[in-house]
Amino acid sequence: SQQGEEDPQALSIQEGENATMNCSYKTSINNLQWYRQNSGRGLVHLILIRSNEREKHSGRLRVTLDTSKKSSSLLITASRAADTASYFCATDHGAAGNKLTFGGGTRVLVKP
Amino acid sequence: KAGVTQTPRYLIKTRGQQVTLSCSPISGHRSVSWYQQTPGQGLQFLFEYFSETQRNKGNFPGRFSGRQFSNSRSEMNVSTLELGDSALYLCASTRRLAGDLTQYFGPGTRLTVL
Repeated sequence: SQQGEEDPQALSIQEGENATMNCSYKTSINNLQWYRQNSGRGLVHLILIRSNEREKHSGRLRVTLDTSKKSSSLLITASRAADTASYFCATDHGAAGNKLTFGGGTRVLVKP
Repeated sequence: KAGVTQTPRYLIKTRGQQVTLSCSPISGHRSVSWYQQTPGQGLQFLFEYFSETQRNKGNFPGRFSGRQFSNSRSEMNVSTLELGDSALYLCASTRRLAGDLTQYFGPGTRLTVL
């Protein structure tokens, strides 16, 4: 079963607005990452935040991490129609090997 | 560098058949992970191969198997297909930098079981 939960499951906004989605996880992590998926295609890595970091920025993306609450949020500012996609958080729990545990995803629709 | 490639992109099979999917990682990456994505279960980890050895396995039945070749290309096989095996199968090539794991995904193989 998935480790992470994301909310909301779906989000509809107008172009230019900000989009915020949240992710929660259950056990301690090495890092947390966000990925984007367009129309059932492969996932694209967006940003990684380490367990000892609280906030990170990349372009229009801002990620926060609260390890005490085991939660993270992804903010996309000034959204564009091209941001329409599903967004997934993924956690690296430091298990042997290279394995990420994914949340259920948030579907974002940006209307022009 | 070329990205992760997966073949075929689409497959239609019938129940009881078997299927083999292929993945070529990014050049220089030795780790390949496989995931199954379905609307009901989301993204679930199948297994990971590193230097031709399976290092990690998810909670899937033995009908799901894989292997990795000396050039790091990987294949996964599903035998005795069931309707529930219909899914998008994603392969990921992994890079570890300063201990941080980042995965680069291929476009996926869409498997439909009739």
